[in-house]
Amino acid sequence: AQSVAQPEDQVNVAEGNPLTVKCTYSVSGNPYLFWYVQYPNRGLQFLLKYITGDNLVKGSYGFEAEFNKSQTSFHLKKPSALVSDSALYFCAVRDSDNFNKFYFGSGTKLNVKP
Amino acid sequence: NAGVTQTPKFQVLKTGQSMTLQCAQDMNHNSMYWYRQDPGMGLRLIYYSASEGTTDKGEVPNGYNVSRLNKREFSLRLESAAPSQTSVYFCATRTTVFSYEQYFGPGTRLTVT
Repeated sequence: AQSVAQPEDQVNVAEGNPLTVKCTYSVSGNPYLFWYVQYPNRGLQFLLKYITGDNLVKGSYGFEAEFNKSQTSFHLKKPSALVSDSALYFCAVRDSDNFNKFYFGSGTKLNVKP
Repeated sequence: NAGVTQTPKFQVLKTGQSMTLQCAQDMNHNSMYWYRQDPGMGLRLIYYSASEGTTDKGEVPNGYNVSRLNKREFSLRLESAAPSQTSVYFCATRTTVFSYEQYFGPGTRLTVT
């Protein structure tokens, strides 16, 4: 069965410091991986995806993610956090058997303090 | 261009009541999805429609039914609401087989008492 895990319920970081939000995956075949962000009382917004190619993927709002096949990880990163980055972040993976289905992690709340 | 819209935004039901959550999109996307979001559990897929005229079960379909009325609209029906269905419900769309990112509506917050 396919799945993603986000081991941290919450990540706290000071503004200006680098941030990492962790995600590990379990999928047969080549993984198609995604990060989404959810601001309070809003729907999810797509940030970035890994399909194939470079292991470092760049996305919206200065975020990037590093795909590591040997560690089955897809961590979200940003070199310098902003207070406005505070939100709920979700990792997701496409089902390798049914390309129409996706599985989401439990979410990580990012708190960026001034 | 409204994107993905959901109605209602909030709803309170009593156990056993029925209701339909509406989702509409103006992006001409083929695939539409219904998810529920519960604290600590992320998003779980209830039903999806890969294209107009088709619907399929997701991870947690029990207690729900769906209708893909046309390409624009995908509704979710609770026939007999239960407290376990208290959740935030999100509709999402996706354009083509080769584009995997999803676009989400603002959500419907449902409370069943």
